[in-house]
Amino acid sequence: QQQVKQSPQSLIVQKGGISIINCAYENTAFDYFPWYQQFPGKGPALLIAIRPDVSEKKEGRFTISFNKSAKQFSLHIMDSQPGDSATYFCAARPGGYNKLIFGAGTRLAVHP
Amino acid sequence: DGGITQSPKYLFRKEGQNVTLSCEQNLNHDAMYWYRQDPGQGLRLIYYSQIVNDFQKGDIAEGYSVSREKKESFPLTVTSAQKNPTAFYLCASTSTPPGQENYGYTFGSGTRLTVV
Repeated sequence: QQQVKQSPQSLIVQKGGISIINCAYENTAFDYFPWYQQFPGKGPALLIAIRPDVSEKKEGRFTISFNKSAKQFSLHIMDSQPGDSATYFCAARPGGYNKLIFGAGTRLAVHP
Repeated sequence: DGGITQSPKYLFRKEGQNVTLSCEQNLNHDAMYWYRQDPGQGLRLIYYSQIVNDFQKGDIAEGYSVSREKKESFPLTVTSAQKNPTAFYLCASTSTPPGQENYGYTFGSGTRLTVV
């Protein structure tokens, strides 16, 4: 099934807290899982990505955790800042295809 | 600066009229994409093109048409057959083959289409 289910739809976090966004998929042929960040009125930008043979990838305050057996992956934003307030999309690439399937998005608000 | 240019940023059209959204890239990318963004539904793929003069339907192609006559350009026409055309439209491109690390899109800034 060519779907990626993302939750929650919206998230409010206090400055300095941890933001966690979850995604789940059914298609075991997905071979690449990127996260995108989108600010209002702008196009999404690639934030961080992971392959299914890796369980965790960290870049600065952003970490992807990947659970292949559960077919789930999540984005953790440590020490969340007001500047992180944006919409976040998870995505997955069907193996052998040059396209991405996106989740529904999570609107994150970090309050000072 | 290299990038993707979408124009116009805002577009208003009367119901029943066809409208064409522009997407131009100077990144020398082979593959280009059109996505539609609606609140709570994420990004849904309309059409994509791997090379010039070739394109494939995405998940929601009905009511839309595209052309790819030049590598740099991938215009999207929203026809009167599209039942609910009001949305935010995003164009993207990539040069990275599917099997490569750091595969990802470069997105334009989008066109907000409102049909009244």
